Amino acid sequence: DAGITQSPRHKVTETGTPVTLRCHQTENHRYMYWYRQDPGHGLRLIHYSYGVKDTDKGEVSDGYSVSRSKTEDFLLTLESATSSQTSVYFCAAQGAGNTIYFGEGSWLTVV
Amino acid sequence: KNEVEQSPQNLTAQEGEFITINCSYSVGISALHWLQQHPGGGIVSLFMLSSGKKKHGRLIATINIQEKHSSLHITASHPRDSAVYICAVLPNSGTYKYIFGTGTRLKVLA
Repeated sequence: DAGITQSPRHKVTETGTPVTLRCHQTENHRYMYWYRQDPGHGLRLIHYSYGVKDTDKGEVSDGYSVSRSKTEDFLLTLESATSSQTSVYFCAAQGAGNTIYFGEGSWLTVV
Repeated sequence: KNEVEQSPQNLTAQEGEFITINCSYSVGISALHWLQQHPGGGIVSLFMLSSGKKKHGRLIATINIQEKHSSLHITASHPRDSAVYICAVLPNSGTYKYIFGTGTRLKVLA
């Protein structure tokens, strides 16, 4: 896993509440990504970061925000969770030579 | 049309069979990854290719840059190979945003 950890791994939350998922890496990777994985859609990019305080939107960014105040941490926030955001969320980082490493995933259920 | 297409979408094989999963893409790339995801599990990169062929144990991955096509082969398949295999490409456009196929679900029966 090249030192990528996600937290929490599992969470159940109520509609309308804010939720923050954390991705922590220990290898000083520059590029980091948040994806969601849903049946029939595969992995879809939510947001990505190309450095501290440098982020950009992916294809499914509505309802999500991110922050990267330190190289090692990339936070994904759902400001007001909706049932459509029930999903599995994966963090990833790009290593040297275009290698890619994924976290173990965060299972989020919005009820 | 997706920029990365995988086939087949689903595959059931008997233990010991030779398996091939295909990936076709329509963009210029810097690299192509074959990823493996076991049920309920995380995602790991099996291979990263920019040309030629790589082998690791019973797994072989090939890429033809001119034809924009890659294959993942599993020789002497085993039930523990049951997983979803995902092709991912890194375009050479400089965006550093990977494009993923929707995956091939493989089930190997004992």
